[in-house]
Amino acid sequence: EAEVAQSPRYKITEKSQAVAFWCDPISGHATLYWYRQILGQGPELLVQFQDESVVDDSQLPKDRFSAERLKGVDSTLKIQPAELGDSAMYLCASSETSGNTGELFFGEGSRLTVL
Amino acid sequence: AQKITQTQPGMFVQEKEAVTLDCTYDTSDPSYGLFWYKQPSSGEMIFLIYQGSYDQQNATEGRYSLNFQKARKSANLVISASQLGDSAMYFCAMREGSSYKLIFGSGTRLLVRP
Repeated sequence: EAEVAQSPRYKITEKSQAVAFWCDPISGHATLYWYRQILGQGPELLVQFQDESVVDDSQLPKDRFSAERLKGVDSTLKIQPAELGDSAMYLCASSETSGNTGELFFGEGSRLTVL
Repeated sequence: AQKITQTQPGMFVQEKEAVTLDCTYDTSDPSYGLFWYKQPSSGEMIFLIYQGSYDQQNATEGRYSLNFQKARKSANLVISASQLGDSAMYFCAMREGSSYKLIFGSGTRLLVRP
């Protein structure tokens, strides 16, 4: 069964270091999302791509976060420098552009701990 | 204002019994979709059920059903015949208009007792 791949599953880093997460969506899915989920809360959208273009990055802290999807397939989310408050689960999801429900398919997530 | 409100931080249910998880939403867009996702301790978000704003009937998927009350702006999830494997976080989410992004509530932690 097709799935969204994410790596790494776990990352521990010290504050002020750089960290990167990778996501490979389900083949053929044009829309890709990065969500951040702080422990005990619901996921919040950081950035949404349609193919290689950013559709929504209004909640992305652009002073330290960047995201790219250069060829419209896989994507990288980077944090530099990491801060203690960045500790969270980073979830990648993808969806078809058209479709009945617009259901999002999620990866297993990348859990970040900043020390 | 909160777009999605889940007022139950935690719920208990006895195995084999039914449980209702509450969700209210706020939107002025006549076209929207409502979703429920399950998140086990492993972290992955698992899609459970979907209800469109124009759907005439309540959605059902196996043991999951969605009690959609449009006038009250509520979309409660009903899980029948609870199983131990149902213990997880449950999130209600909404998609507005032509946007495909989902806005999530704060979740409800369900614990099924044997």
